[in-house]
Amino acid sequence: DIQMTQSPSSLSASVGDRVTITCRASQVISNDLAWFQQKPGKAPRSLIYAASSLQSGVPSKFSGSGSGTEFTLTISSLQPEDFASYYCLQYNTYPFTFGPGTKVDIK
Amino acid sequence: QVQLVESGGGVVQPGKSLRLSCAGSGFLFDGFVMHWVRQAPGEGLEWVAVASFDGRQTKYADSVKGRFTISRDNSKNTLYLQMDSLRREDTAVYYCACLMTPGYWGQGTLVTVSS
Repeated sequence: DIQMTQSPSSLSASVGDRVTITCRASQVISNDLAWFQQKPGKAPRSLIYAASSLQSGVPSKFSGSGSGTEFTLTISSLQPEDFASYYCLQYNTYPFTFGPGTKVDIK
Repeated sequence: QVQLVESGGGVVQPGKSLRLSCAGSGFLFDGFVMHWVRQAPGEGLEWVAVASFDGRQTKYADSVKGRFTISRDNSKNTLYLQMDSLRREDTAVYYCACLMTPGYWGQGTLVTVSS
């Protein structure tokens, strides 16, 4: 199975900060990577697919990049509604695998 | 308005069975591959299973293979997850989702496996 790692596992940031989360795959997955946001007690929300394509309705402050084994999710200017956990998912090979998540909280 | 609504969760004893349903509306249900994803209390997301557009092709996580069966009835716009031989470690919120594009998720249904 493909293993996914995320760094950092958590971070504290201030409103207005630029935040970058990294996701690494244990083998090459092309650009078959998605990002999700989840707030406590809520269902996940899809943000990005194909490593860098924004889902419909997702604000442009979110961006994704990368290919192969290393990927990043960037939030250009953190807002109060962005404090949440973020997960990556590889969908190149079954079984699909999620990263362990990155929790973004308020500094 | 796009909706995915899961149902069928509850408390069940170890070794018993449960069937989850996910009703889709507001989009072309049979145009999308559908997945089940679960989240144990306080834990991260775990991919569980997938059904192809017509349900003929399915894949499973190793943790549920041989115990869970995913299926779909496109005439009813509904996805199912038959869960047999349930274990305590299957306790989780179960979500149905179109994981890639267009990225729809249901609100989840809680399954608790406990004696």
